[in-house]
Amino acid sequence: AQTVTQSQPEMSVQEAETVTLSCTYDTSESNYYLFWYKQPPSRQMILVIRQEAYKQQNATENRFSVNFQKAAKSFSLKISDSQLGDTAMYFCAFAVAGNNRKLIWGLGTSLAVNP
Amino acid sequence: ETGVTQSPTHLIKTRGQQVTLRCSSQSGHNTVSWYQQALGQGPQFIFQYYREEENGRGNFPPRFSGLQFPNYSSELNVNALELDDSALYLCASSSSGRQYEQYFGPGTRLTVT
Repeated sequence: AQTVTQSQPEMSVQEAETVTLSCTYDTSESNYYLFWYKQPPSRQMILVIRQEAYKQQNATENRFSVNFQKAAKSFSLKISDSQLGDTAMYFCAFAVAGNNRKLIWGLGTSLAVNP
Repeated sequence: ETGVTQSPTHLIKTRGQQVTLRCSSQSGHNTVSWYQQALGQGPQFIFQYYREEENGRGNFPPRFSGLQFPNYSSELNVNALELDDSALYLCASSSSGRQYEQYFGPGTRLTVT
């Protein structure tokens, strides 16, 4: 069975600082995709960044970057220059390549950015 | 480009009743997935529809059913509602061209009393 674990239920960071959210996953598959989604209080789930398992280069999207360690099955999210608008629940999710694109999710990390 | 929309926003039902939730996919997307997110939890996959056919199902009982229409919009139907069905129901759409990137609607908050 595939699982996603986020070991940090809550985190906080000062505005303009850097924070790293952790995620580990378990799968026997070799071809898969990893995602970080953000869910602000408005509850709309927003895709932050994605990583293809076959790519060695870590994905980056502006202030967001990942540290993908395939052998360790680790996929952490780094947020640089944190902004108040980054306050949200962050979910790590995983999808096995194939016809069914279902996402398997972690329990989330609640991030508070403090002024 | 129109994003994913869901209706209604909130819904209150009584145990034993039936409910239908609706989702309009993003323009150009032919796949719709439904997720249930209980309070304080991550979403759980219910099922997915691709070109009007069910394309995978999670661990949900048959009283959860769905449809996808020719315009790729979708419905989630839940019969014989139980208290544990109270949750946020999320719809996500994706396209063949950019697989695995799912774009979510704002969700429907269902409360069963």
